[in-house]
Amino acid sequence: GNSVTQMEGPVTLSEEAFLTINCTYTATGYPSLFWYVQYPGEGLQLLLKATKADDKGSNKGFEATYRKETTSFHLEKGSVQVSDSAVYFCALSVYSGTASKLTFGTGTRLQVTL
Amino acid sequence: DAMVIQNPRYQVTQFGKPVTLSCSQTLNHNVMYWYQQKSSQAPKLLFHYYDKDFNNEADTPDNFQSRRPNTSFCFLDIRSPGLGDAAMYLCATSSLTSGRVYNEQFFGPGTRLTVL
Repeated sequence: GNSVTQMEGPVTLSEEAFLTINCTYTATGYPSLFWYVQYPGEGLQLLLKATKADDKGSNKGFEATYRKETTSFHLEKGSVQVSDSAVYFCALSVYSGTASKLTFGTGTRLQVTL
Repeated sequence: DAMVIQNPRYQVTQFGKPVTLSCSQTLNHNVMYWYQQKSSQAPKLLFHYYDKDFNNEADTPDNFQSRRPNTSFCFLDIRSPGLGDAAMYLCATSSLTSGRVYNEQFFGPGTRLTVL
């Protein structure tokens, strides 16, 4: 079956530090890969996506590259801000015929301090 | 702005008392999803509608039902809520078009359900 494994949190960083959140996946076929962010008390927001191998998704200073050879989609940001504090979910999507179903990792909580 | 709306944002019910959660969308998407997210866990897909066709996940308990009366609205019914059903319930939508493999899902803000 499909699965996503991401590093456990919480991750605590000082403002302007470099961020990496590791994500690896197992899937049949050719999944699309996503990072979603969830702020406290809110729903999920798509942060970035990549639909095929070697694609790089980027948004708001965050980046992730779809690595088929290592089945990975690690999230990076060069300089985090306090406002980046949230829970980050790595996910994959596989087309099922009636929907593109998302399989999520367990989430990584990021806490950025001044 | 086109969006996914969930009402209410917070719902309190009693053990065993039926409850209905609501989701509406202005995106005119043909697929609507319901997820359950328990505290500090990943969202778990319960079921989805492709147009009027209902698709249940194999491990979704019978206690959970859904209705989609039209394109814009979808409801989650919990027939007899137990304490273990306390969670955030997320609605999402996507547009499934012929030949496309990838379809982004747009999420609502969620309804947090408390069972007393």
